[in-house]
Amino acid sequence: GNSVTQMEGPVTLSEEAFLTINCTYTATGYPSLFWYVQYPGEGLQLLLKATKADDKGSNKGFEATYRKETTSFHLEKGSVQVSDSAVYFCALRGGSNYKLTFGKGTLLTVNP
Amino acid sequence: NAGVTQTPKFQVLKTGQSMTLQCAQDMNHEYMSWYRQDPGMGLRLIHYSVGAGITDQGEVPNGYNVSRSTTEDFPLRLLSAAPSQTSVYFCASSARGGEGDTQYFGPGTRLTVL
Repeated sequence: GNSVTQMEGPVTLSEEAFLTINCTYTATGYPSLFWYVQYPGEGLQLLLKATKADDKGSNKGFEATYRKETTSFHLEKGSVQVSDSAVYFCALRGGSNYKLTFGKGTLLTVNP
Repeated sequence: NAGVTQTPKFQVLKTGQSMTLQCAQDMNHEYMSWYRQDPGMGLRLIHYSVGAGITDQGEVPNGYNVSRSTTEDFPLRLLSAAPSQTSVYFCASSARGGEGDTQYFGPGTRLTVL
């Protein structure tokens, strides 16, 4: 079955530091890949997505590239801000169904 | 548009009580689903529906029932609440068609079972 493994947190960074959160997946076929973000006390919001190999998703300074050869979709941001503090979830959606499979989430805390 | 709405926001139950968590969306989405979020577990799918009158089980369906009588509403019923059902519950919806359709999440219901 499908599965997503993402870097365990928590991750604590200083403002303007570089961020990488690793995500690898197992799936049959050609899944779509997503990063969702959950701010404290809120629901999940889509951050970015990629639907085929070598696609790069980007939003709010975050980027992730769909790497089929390494089955990875790592999240990066060049300079984090305090407002980026949140839980980040990697997810995939594959096959003929519409179910999302999530990683366990990575808590990011950015200090001023 | 309101998007995906959930009620109540918070709920405390005693073991054995039943209740219904409400979920509604105004985007005419065919696909709706319920997840529970527990610390260190990510989100796990409870039940989902691909259209009115059609529902199916996810990873963790035991103790929960769903029905989908309209496109807009997808309530989740706890038949006899147990402490193991203490969690945060999220409803989500998406349009049907294509692998990349985005799922939109509600704000969540925080449930405590004593």
